[in-house]
Amino acid sequence: QKEVEQNSGPLSVPEGAIASLNCTYSDRGSQSFFWYRQYSGKSPELIMSIYSNGDKEDGRFTAQLNKASQYVSLLIRDSQPSDSATYLCAVKNGNNFNKFYFGSGTKLNVKP
Amino acid sequence: EAGVTQFPSHSVIEKGQTVTLRCDPISGHDNLYWYRRVMGKEIKFLLHFVKESKQDESGMPNNRFLAERTGGTYSTLKVQPAELEDSGVYFCASSEGANYGYTFGSGTRLTVV
Repeated sequence: QKEVEQNSGPLSVPEGAIASLNCTYSDRGSQSFFWYRQYSGKSPELIMSIYSNGDKEDGRFTAQLNKASQYVSLLIRDSQPSDSATYLCAVKNGNNFNKFYFGSGTKLNVKP
Repeated sequence: EAGVTQFPSHSVIEKGQTVTLRCDPISGHDNLYWYRRVMGKEIKFLLHFVKESKQDESGMPNNRFLAERTGGTYSTLKVQPAELEDSGVYFCASSEGANYGYTFGSGTRLTVV
């Protein structure tokens, strides 16, 4: 079983719609959760971090965490074509706060 | 503020050769990490430096890989001798502290032929 699971996609949404990206993790002791965006051929760029259950909003982005279900998601409101990228879920577990476990990423296509 | 810088951006070498990748972290970031993404797989941890000390090298694949961070500034990752399965994108990242998100470099795409 992988530490972090993501649907590889592609997820296609029309411009202006809400894109919902999901991630599950296996280690119940995981403490910190991050979403990175990676454009093709570029470095991963940190979008959001979340540490406690519930929602965290930053502009058009909302991260949601449910530790009981071991589930973290990222919502992108008013999706733009420039949001088209691969979104990586990254988790730090309870044993080693210095190591990320990454999902394989979900490719998002926002169609104009 | 300068970001994390990696050099070279691309490297193509023959099996059995040696390659050295370099990473310059953000100034003042004591934590430096190496990660790797091989084709079709997720990004995986290789090792973590705190200043010049190796904090965790549990992700290093084998003894053909050697990472150093002399003086606690830039880091190098040497692969000797390179094998075909070493091909992938090698990312370096740095952070201020343990529970922060990283800043990644743009990566070195290594192709072993």
